[in-house]
Amino acid sequence: DTAVSQTPKYLVTQMGNDKSIKCEQNLGHDTMYWYKQDSKKFLKIMFSYNNKELIINETVPNRFSPKSPDKAHLNLHINSLELGDSAVYFCASSRGTGSSQPQHFGDGTRLSIL
Amino acid sequence: DQQVKQNSPSLSVQEGRISILNCDYTNSMFDYFLWYKKYPAEGPTFLISISSIKDKNEDGRFTVFLNKSAKHLSLHIVPSQPGDSAVYFCAASDGSSNTGKLIFGQGTTLQVKP
Repeated sequence: DTAVSQTPKYLVTQMGNDKSIKCEQNLGHDTMYWYKQDSKKFLKIMFSYNNKELIINETVPNRFSPKSPDKAHLNLHINSLELGDSAVYFCASSRGTGSSQPQHFGDGTRLSIL
Repeated sequence: DQQVKQNSPSLSVQEGRISILNCDYTNSMFDYFLWYKKYPAEGPTFLISISSIKDKNEDGRFTVFLNKSAKHLSLHIVPSQPGDSAVYFCAASDGSSNTGKLIFGQGTTLQVKP
């Protein structure tokens, strides 16, 4: 009964391909996030959705497109993958957007571009 | 532009002693601070938080201290246990944005030796 689950856990693919990462939470939370952890280990916010509505869209290339079919799911689609996209991508969720609402993270998807 | 910094990449302490992890921030709009703990191949898990209206928050072996004038916070773990060995991330939030956006430091790897 994993709270925030991401699939796949590992993704190895060629440059130029299109891939998707799925995220689901069973906590009943309203807000979901995507983070990227790069080679320097920084965790940086990419997107967040609150009740299926986009509320954070950081400076991320247009090749990245989040989709939230419902409150429990936030998927990340990446077009034309580049070498620099290699990273660990974490999904997270929280009860709301208030500062005091801790975020619950999935175990990450390690994306490797060949 | 690193708004949250953890200047010590690693820390090693003996079991039973105190571990002190430090974090500095630059943005005076930050009003809520959180510590996350991360084991390898897992997502970060929430540990403890503090609001800017307080200077201390304690939860069992974990205490977070906030010095607003110095823009500095620290996490104390007493007594340290081998199971505490993990990467610790400091994160900060500007509550006025009401987006849930967290800015993370780059993490400190804590090793607790038996």
